[in-house]
Amino acid sequence: EDQVTQSPEALRLQEGESSSLNCSYTVSGLRGLFWYRQDPGKGPEFLFTLYSAGEEKEKERLKATLTKKESFLHITAPKPEDSATYLCAVQAWETSGSRLTFGEGTQLTVNP
Amino acid sequence: DAGITQSPRHKVTETGTPVTLRCHQTENHRYMYWYRQDPGHGLRLIHYSYGVKDTDKGEVSDGYSVSRSKTEDFLLTLESATSSQTSVYFCAISSGTGLSPLHFGNGTRLTVT
Repeated sequence: EDQVTQSPEALRLQEGESSSLNCSYTVSGLRGLFWYRQDPGKGPEFLFTLYSAGEEKEKERLKATLTKKESFLHITAPKPEDSATYLCAVQAWETSGSRLTFGEGTQLTVNP
Repeated sequence: DAGITQSPRHKVTETGTPVTLRCHQTENHRYMYWYRQDPGHGLRLIHYSYGVKDTDKGEVSDGYSVSRSKTEDFLLTLESATSSQTSVYFCAISSGTGLSPLHFGNGTRLTVT
């Protein structure tokens, strides 16, 4: 069974204070790892797909990296508008229907 | 934003009543999904569809049924709602080509009293 564990559950930062979110996964054969951002009252919004260990993707202040056991979402000099819940999900090669297994998320708060 | 509309956005219903949630997409994507999101559990797959009239179960399908008679519409039905089905329900779509991501609607908040 595929499993995704995210840590910490919640993170509070000051504006400009860089940090990282962790996503540990157990999957029989990783096809892809996805990061999403979710704002209150909204659906998850797609950020990145990572395919193989060593890969990195960047978007504005966010950078996602992938190893064989975990992924990190690095947030550089965050701003209050980066406050959201960040979700990690995996897709396994043998999973039918392009389904994703999600972690519970990290709730990020950036204070001005 | 992906063209996904969920209706209704909020619903309160009583235990034992039937409830149908609707997802409508304008992207002509092949795959459609229903997830529920609960504190302590994250997003869990209920059912998904890989084409018109083609559906399959997810990890938490008991008490739910789905139908897809047109590419653009995917319905989730709770035949007899229970309090444990109080949740936020999200519809998602995917083209299914390569490693395409899922794109989500803004959810339906369902309360069963």
